[in-house]
Amino acid sequence: AQTVTQSQPEMSVQEAETVTLSCTYDTSESDYYLFWYKQPPSRQMILVIRQEAYKQQNATENRFSVNFQKAAKSFSLKISDSQLGDAAMYFCAYIFGGSQGNLIFGKGTKLSVKP
Amino acid sequence: DAGVTQSPTHLIKTRGQHVTLRCSPISGHKSVSWYQQVLGQGPQFIFQYYEKEERGRGNFPDRFSARQFPNYSSELNVNALLLGDSALYLCASRRLAAQETQYFGPGTRLLVL
Repeated sequence: AQTVTQSQPEMSVQEAETVTLSCTYDTSESDYYLFWYKQPPSRQMILVIRQEAYKQQNATENRFSVNFQKAAKSFSLKISDSQLGDAAMYFCAYIFGGSQGNLIFGKGTKLSVKP
Repeated sequence: DAGVTQSPTHLIKTRGQHVTLRCSPISGHKSVSWYQQVLGQGPQFIFQYYEKEERGRGNFPDRFSARQFPNYSSELNVNALLLGDSALYLCASRRLAAQETQYFGPGTRLLVL
């Protein structure tokens, strides 16, 4: 069964510093996609970044980047120059190409940003 | 372009009642998925619909049902509500293929008393 594990229930970072959120997943599929979503207190789930498993290059999106280690089934999110607006729940999610189309989510990491 | 919209934003029901939640996808998106997010957990997949047909179903009882309309909007229905159905219900849309990014609506917060 495919599973996604986020081992850090809570993390804290100082404004302008860098923080890394961890995610591991378990799958036997070769064609899959990984995502990080952000959910602020407003509840709206917002896409942060996406990684295709067939791509060796790590995805980046402005201050957000991932460290995708396919062999280790690890997919961590690095947030650089943290801002107060980055405070939210962060969910790692997985989907494989032949699936019914449902994302499998981890339990989330609550990120606090200290001024 | 407008994002995914959901209605209502909040809802309070009592046990045994029925509820209908609504979702309008992003223009041009043909697939809609529903997720249940219990407090403190990640979202759990309920249904996926494409072209008015159910394409996938998660591990939820038959009290949960859904449908998709010709304009690709969707309804989620829950019968015989239980206290445990209290959750945030999220709708997500994507253009078509399973690997395409899903974009989420703001959710409907359901409280069952």
